[in-house]
Amino acid sequence: TQLLEQSPQFLSIQEGENLTVYCNSSSVFSSLQWYRQEPGEGPVLLVTVVTGGEVKKLKRLTFQFGDARKDSSLHITAAQTGDTGLYLCAGGDSSASKIIFGSGTRLSIRP
Amino acid sequence: ETGVTQSPTHLIKTRGQQVTLRCSSQSGHNTVSWYQQALGQGPQFIFQYYREEENGRGNFPPRFSGLQFPNYSSELNVNALELDDSALYLCASSLDRGHYGYTFGSGTRLTVV
Repeated sequence: TQLLEQSPQFLSIQEGENLTVYCNSSSVFSSLQWYRQEPGEGPVLLVTVVTGGEVKKLKRLTFQFGDARKDSSLHITAAQTGDTGLYLCAGGDSSASKIIFGSGTRLSIRP
Repeated sequence: ETGVTQSPTHLIKTRGQQVTLRCSSQSGHNTVSWYQQALGQGPQFIFQYYREEENGRGNFPPRFSGLQFPNYSSELNVNALELDDSALYLCASSLDRGHYGYTFGSGTRLTVV
């Protein structure tokens, strides 16, 4: 059974600080996606990484896919209150018949 | 382009009843996946439909069933509702099974009493 573990589960930091969220598995994934979800809404896709070692940047967000394609990280620089939300990683197998999600990291940014 | 639309947005059902949830996929997408999300948890995969065929299924009992129509919209049916079925049900559409990511709807909040 494929599982994705995210850490930390909860994170509360001051505006302007940096943070990193981790997504780990013992399974290899053909692609890994990061989503952000706000209360009462569906998740919104932030990025997809498909190559081991790949790094993608989206403004203040940096995403990295591990060399072995078993883990990923999301780093936010100079966090803003608008970054508050539930961050979810999701991994797909080669057939993409099943994308599984981690349990999420709930991020709270204090002004 | 239109996004993913789910209906209804909220629903209250009694234990033992049956429910049908609906999803209109994003224009151009041929794959729909359904997820169940309990409060404070990540979404759990129910099943995926690709070009009207079930393409994968998670660990949900047979009383969870679905359909995908020729226009790629989809339904999720749940029979014999149980209290634990109370959750947010999310529909996600994608092109060619979603290897590069999903577009989610806002979900249907189902409460079973």
